[in-house]
Amino acid sequence: DTGVSQDPRHKITKRGQNVTFRCDPISEHNRLYWYRQTLGQGPEFLTYFQNEAQLEKSRLLSDRFSAERPKGSFSTLEIQRTEQGDSAMYLCASSLDVLPQETQYFGPGTRLLVL
Amino acid sequence: QKEVEQNSGPLSVPEGAIASLNCTYSDRVSQSFFWYRQYSGKSPELIMSIYSNGDKEDGRFTAQLNKASQYVSLLIRDSQPSDSATYLCAVNPFGGSNYKLTFGKGTLLTVNP
Repeated sequence: DTGVSQDPRHKITKRGQNVTFRCDPISEHNRLYWYRQTLGQGPEFLTYFQNEAQLEKSRLLSDRFSAERPKGSFSTLEIQRTEQGDSAMYLCASSLDVLPQETQYFGPGTRLLVL
Repeated sequence: QKEVEQNSGPLSVPEGAIASLNCTYSDRVSQSFFWYRQYSGKSPELIMSIYSNGDKEDGRFTAQLNKASQYVSLLIRDSQPSDSATYLCAVNPFGGSNYKLTFGKGTLLTVNP
């Protein structure tokens, strides 16, 4: 399978616990994005990487959130001290920066439930 | 604030009919426009991309873009029950470099057999 993969696919945690999600992009893609989607809403941008550099973070990304892409390949998104409002689908997407027709492809998502 | 607006639906059409999905956006500098299909509980899947004014056809799907009116649409011909899903309109709000997308809330389409 050469698509974007995410792990885990589902995560249930208790409020206050830390969670970490992993994303493996399509192998030749140099851009990687994290989005969050709640029920009835479209995905909302969280952050994005060009190779290993994190170039933008949304205001949605509070201090409890951190993302890394240490070698420009896979990425991790960590949420510390989870809150019930963090419950959502966390989507990873990747793309190749070939303008103007750059297209983002999404992974299957990680569904987080904070109890 | 840059916004993408879609009718939330649900839009219900009979099998074999044409489904028309509409999207408006607020940022005039937007350059790239995308339609994603999302089945319940699944992640978005790219259906169409369009960058120039006019129509772009791919099989049963046609995307239409009018930058002057800040309007993009998706037509699905010969609709099938398997087309039943939420359709998300996404826009690159900054033009030139597609480094993040702004999505609408999506339109739920139901195709009735």
